[in-house]
Amino acid sequence: SQTIHQWPATLVQPVGSPLSLECTVEGTSNPNLYWYRQAAGRGLQLLFYSVGIGQISSEVPQNLSASRPQDRQFILSSKKLLLSDSGFYLCAWSELGTGFTDTQYFGPGTRLTVL
Amino acid sequence: SQQGEEDPQALSIQEGENATMNCSYKTSINNLQWYRQNSGRGLVHLILIRSNEREKHSGRLRVTLDTSKKSSSLLITASRAADTASYFCATDASTPGSNYQLIWGAGTKLIIKP
Repeated sequence: SQTIHQWPATLVQPVGSPLSLECTVEGTSNPNLYWYRQAAGRGLQLLFYSVGIGQISSEVPQNLSASRPQDRQFILSSKKLLLSDSGFYLCAWSELGTGFTDTQYFGPGTRLTVL
Repeated sequence: SQQGEEDPQALSIQEGENATMNCSYKTSINNLQWYRQNSGRGLVHLILIRSNEREKHSGRLRVTLDTSKKSSSLLITASRAADTASYFCATDASTPGSNYQLIWGAGTKLIIKP
């Protein structure tokens, strides 16, 4: 069966510090991968998606970036965090060949607080 | 404004009662999905209903879709304490300059009282 991991679970970082969040998927090949951010009490905002190694599409211009160095690894980064980067970050995957709007499977999330 | 908007924002019912949540959207869709999120956790997919379907069932869950009214409802029958969570609808939408993606509502927070 497929599983998706995210770490760390929680993170407290000072403004201006770098960020690296990691997501890995097991039990599937060539998945579509997604990074979302969820503000408190709100829905999800798509940040990045990837259809393959090295292929990243950004939906929201900001100081975050994403990379996919391996087929089942997706990394969210920032060189300098802003207060507005605080939130709950979720990684998700969907089956290769399905559209971006078919069923997505989510990781447990990372709670980021920027102080 | 959001493509999908859930109603009500919050719902509190007694265990054993039925819970109904609604989702309205603005543009034509290919499918609509419902997800559950326990507090501080990731989302779990519940049901996907396609635009040519009117109703789907999964255990105690029943989803309806009315494309003429651009709305969907999620019914949870015989609610349990474990159903306490936030419920989100997500629809597919194409936005200018972007590929198709899921557009999420703000969710309905459901509390089941023992």
